[in-house]
Parts: sequence; C-alpha cells; structure tokens
Amino acid sequence: GAVVSQHPSWVICKSGTSVKIECRSLDFQATTMFWYRQFPKQSLMLMATSNEGSKATYEQGVEKDKFLINHASLTLSTLTVTSAHPEDSSFYICSAPRNRRSYGYTFGSGTRLTVV
Amino acid sequence: GENVEQHPSTLSVQEGDSAVIKCTYSDSASNYFPWYKQELGKRPQLIIDIRSNVGEKKDQRIAVTLNKTAKHFSLHITETQPEDSAVYFCAAEVPKTSYDKVIFGPGTSLSVIP
Repeated sequence: GAVVSQHPSWVICKSGTSVKIECRSLDFQATTMFWYRQFPKQSLMLMATSNEGSKATYEQGVEKDKFLINHASLTLSTLTVTSAHPEDSSFYICSAPRNRRSYGYTFGSGTRLTVV
Repeated sequence: GENVEQHPSTLSVQEGDSAVIKCTYSDSASNYFPWYKQELGKRPQLIIDIRSNVGEKKDQRIAVTLNKTAKHFSLHITETQPEDSAVYFCAAEVPKTSYDKVIFGPGTSLSVIP
C-alpha cells in the first residue's frame, strides 16, 4: 500500500519549453506532497511542499514562478518546470506521507529531466 | 535553521565487516528519523526508521541508535554484503504548523568490497 506513481520517468526537452511532472497517490489520499530535486552525486533537496487546495510552500532560493506546483486533488500533485534551461536538468522526485504524521513517507519513482 | 549533517561522505568496507554512518540534526523538535538506501537512478528506499521515544531499533543486520540530547543518530550495518553497496541518506522530520517536512543529510556512498 501507499504507492505514489510518478510520470514521466524521463524527459528530454528543448531549452525554453515547459515540462510537467505528475505524481499520483494510487491507494491513499495525499493531502501533502513534497517535491525534491537531486543533482548527480548529491542529496535530495526539498524544493517545495504542496498541500491539497492551497498554495505550495517553497523553500528558500526556489523560484515559485519557475517551478509551478499544483495540488488540485487528494491524489494528484504536479510540478511544472517553466522555461526550462540546461541548469534545470536534474532528477525530480516527489514524496508523500504514508498515513498519519510521523509514520513514514513513500516516494515516486523520480523523473530524469534533461534540457538541451 | 534546519540542517542534517552526515559522515562519512564515502565509506569502503570489506565484505563481512560492519559499517557505521553518523548523522546530526539541528532542530530539537525533530521526532522521526528515517534512513534511506538509494541505488543509482532509483527512488530512495526506506531501510529503517526510529522515533524519538526510542533509543535503539534493530532489524536483522541493520540497527539505528538515537541520542536526542546530543541530536545524534547512527546507522549500523553488520556482516556487510556487496549488495549493500549504495548511497545511504539519513533524514530528520521537522514538525511544522500544518505539516511535517523531511530534511535529508548529504548522503554516504558505501562500497562493500567482496
């Protein structure tokens, strides 16, 4: 149980275009979804936290106008990288709390974004 | 601020030996500490976790210890095997008003030499 499906698993896009990444909770309701970015050989850096029906909370240094997050339902959260540039190339991964607070988190399978 | 430090950044051990990874956290309100194993290009996999009301937890070859006073927690892997080779991340859950968030340490690349 507590599966998060993330799509696409990889995407190559041209510089200047936008890319949407989706995370769906398949067998539970994800009122909160965390979005992370991971550069090669580095840790997972929290970008933002989305909450169903409200605005996302962005971490310091993350441009909210560039990384648009939508959490319109209890089972779907999306991250859109707008006007992507090569420096946005990274591994993006979402995560949701499994059940109640402090009871573990489940991760999506990640999206490898390459901007050319 | 919210910060999790992790040491060492790389660790090589002989098969059968033990491996220890240590982490410290900054927010004293943190009360949940998971450990993740990540293989290249894949999602992190939870291997063990511990809550603040417990000092130690063990699951077969893996154990975690927590010292809340010192804000330290450690991962111990005994009888290491080549398949244990991966990057390991410690993390600390930071309580917030309406949700908790998880902050990751920088990771430890573990190599188990056959």
